[in-house]
Amino acid sequence: DQQVKQNSPSLSVQEGRISILNCDYTNSMFDYFLWYKKYPAEGPTFLISISSIKDKNEDGRFTVFLNKSAKHLSLHIVPSQPGDSAVYFCAASEIGNEKLTFGTGTRLTIIP
Amino acid sequence: KAGVTQTPRYLIKTRGQQVTLSCSPISGHRSVSWYQQTPGQGLQFLFEYFSETQRNKGNFPGRFSGRQFSNSRSEMNVSTLELGDSALYLCASSIAGAGRLYGYTFGSGTRLTVV
Repeated sequence: DQQVKQNSPSLSVQEGRISILNCDYTNSMFDYFLWYKKYPAEGPTFLISISSIKDKNEDGRFTVFLNKSAKHLSLHIVPSQPGDSAVYFCAASEIGNEKLTFGTGTRLTIIP
Repeated sequence: KAGVTQTPRYLIKTRGQQVTLSCSPISGHRSVSWYQQTPGQGLQFLFEYFSETQRNKGNFPGRFSGRQFSNSRSEMNVSTLELGDSALYLCASSIAGAGRLYGYTFGSGTRLTVV
């Protein structure tokens, strides 16, 4: 039972343009959502999080949008840079629980 | 400040053996979680420790166990290794209760290969 889904295994974007990564979830008990970036042979690196009481959170080039009614969140990266090429994971946690449930990841490739 | 340190980085074991992996969290972080990453299953939660107590456990068999010491360092143990246990094992630490907002910091992982 995949509670967090990233339906696009890969995405290619031109340098300087906007990258949009999508994530869907099914568990209504999730109240925090996080995005991580991962390079090969390294652990995931935290990018940004959002609480379920918000619909948007920004940090520099990264913005996360949450649509609770659709159980959908997205990560926008503007402008995209070559160093953004990595696998991106969305993750979610339930109220009062430190456990993260991860999606399967989307490989983002930024084309120079 | 030092990050999350996992040792060893690579490990090769034989089926039926047991293995112990180590994780030193960031200084001041008292919550330590373990995850297994495989190509087929992705990142799966194993367990989480806080103040030497296991607070959460994922859906893994009893062969997978862990513990946390008073200095917050953690170890996980896998007994009677199976080929399917080959994976990247990741440790993550956070200030208690703040990981969901400020993110968990992951180590680089231990790559376990079972032959």
